[in-house]
Amino acid sequence: NAGVTQTPKFQVLKTGQSMTLQCAQDMNHEYMSWYRQDPGMGLRLIHYSVGAGITDQGEVPNGYNVSRSTTEDFPLRLLSAAPSQTSVYFCASSYSPGGNYGYTFGSGTRLTVV
Amino acid sequence: RKEVEQDPGPFNVPEGATVAFNCTYSNSASQSFFWYRQDCRKEPKLLMSVYSSGNEDGRFTAQLNRASQYISLLIRDSKLSDSATYLCVGPRDKIIFGKGTRLHILP
Repeated sequence: NAGVTQTPKFQVLKTGQSMTLQCAQDMNHEYMSWYRQDPGMGLRLIHYSVGAGITDQGEVPNGYNVSRSTTEDFPLRLLSAAPSQTSVYFCASSYSPGGNYGYTFGSGTRLTVV
Repeated sequence: RKEVEQDPGPFNVPEGATVAFNCTYSNSASQSFFWYRQDCRKEPKLLMSVYSSGNEDGRFTAQLNRASQYISLLIRDSKLSDSATYLCVGPRDKIIFGKGTRLHILP
């Protein structure tokens, strides 16, 4: 029972580089989302998806792209990394948005942009 | 106004004490909420769901007060391991988390 798997766990990028953070879940959850958490701060929603082929923006979408081609996977792409994107990134999933189900989080990707 | 709001704390509580904190919500139609626990540098983990009938799990009790629009989390006989940040969220299409309430259990 893997739950939500995020890779890589740690990453260092140079300014201007691009990369994809991977998120996969094996619980057949329809809803998936990406958050970033800066030191001492709360979670901020970047993008979310209510099902395969459907994505929408959260609070802080600039500089990030997502796609949802399958129910299982929800990758987050950094287009041109900036130091301001240094953060911990969490992926979460749920059976449905809202409703009576909680969210399962991955263990996070710690990203440093130099 | 955010959907849910919490006192950020920190709450410094001696080991063995009972501690309670609340979370106020603005959408009177909301019928269920969730408490999460986040340890330092770790992912949030679902602690309890909260419905109109309340919920109890061991030392933890969560209740929903519809009249005053708040949910509460009560921790009895607190342990050092209860030190964490506690987040409350309500159901909606995109979940917005607040900063949570920081709890420090003191030896």
